[in-house]
Amino acid sequence: EMQLVESGGGLVQPGGSLRLSCAASGFTFTNYWMSWVRQAPGKGLEWVAKIKEDGSEKYYVDSVRGRFTISRDNAKNAVYLQMNSLRDDDTAVYYCVKFGGAYFDYWGQGTLVTVSS
Amino acid sequence: QSALTQPASVSGSPGQSITISCNGTSSDIGGHTSVSWYQQQPGKAPKLIIHDIDHRPSGVSLRFSGSKSGNAASLIISALRAEDEADYYCCSFTASVGYVFGTGTRVTVL
Repeated sequence: EMQLVESGGGLVQPGGSLRLSCAASGFTFTNYWMSWVRQAPGKGLEWVAKIKEDGSEKYYVDSVRGRFTISRDNAKNAVYLQMNSLRDDDTAVYYCVKFGGAYFDYWGQGTLVTVSS
Repeated sequence: QSALTQPASVSGSPGQSITISCNGTSSDIGGHTSVSWYQQQPGKAPKLIIHDIDHRPSGVSLRFSGSKSGNAASLIISALRAEDEADYYCCSFTASVGYVFGTGTRVTVL
């Protein structure tokens, strides 16, 4: 059974850092791009970042470029999101998502990040 | 890049069909075949229900179908059931941003 399990969320002050992790299982991890998508409380979905199968290509939405870094460890079947210089508007549930080519075909349950003083 | 435009809410009675629209531009929906739809039930993660405009993943009900015309896409839910109550989001690839989601539509079964 396919599983994506996120961890690392929590409360952080503005300007702080947090590293999210996502453990993948139930599929051949090295065959797929992976992505992070976030959802602010009561709001819609926003694509954040994606990373190629071998980690050689990474793309970001403008609002996080230069502050967030996506990475992966294929030996551990894991993908990460390092978030620096966090702002209030980064508060959201962050979903780890398997990328099926041009669409988000399997989602984790999400981890909540709250940026507040 | 603004979010794709969807109606805030759509409702229907059990057994009826409803259509959710998703309006974009020539830079997103109009320029690509990478249009997808997601269902999000309360308190749960989104689930892919349509990809590449009109393709259903394995296990998704035949009652869900998608289409596209020009800069707009549509999701049709036929034979509406109580279990279809959820939020629905469209999504399109766009060269400028990467991927842009719709504003979301709350479906209510009367």
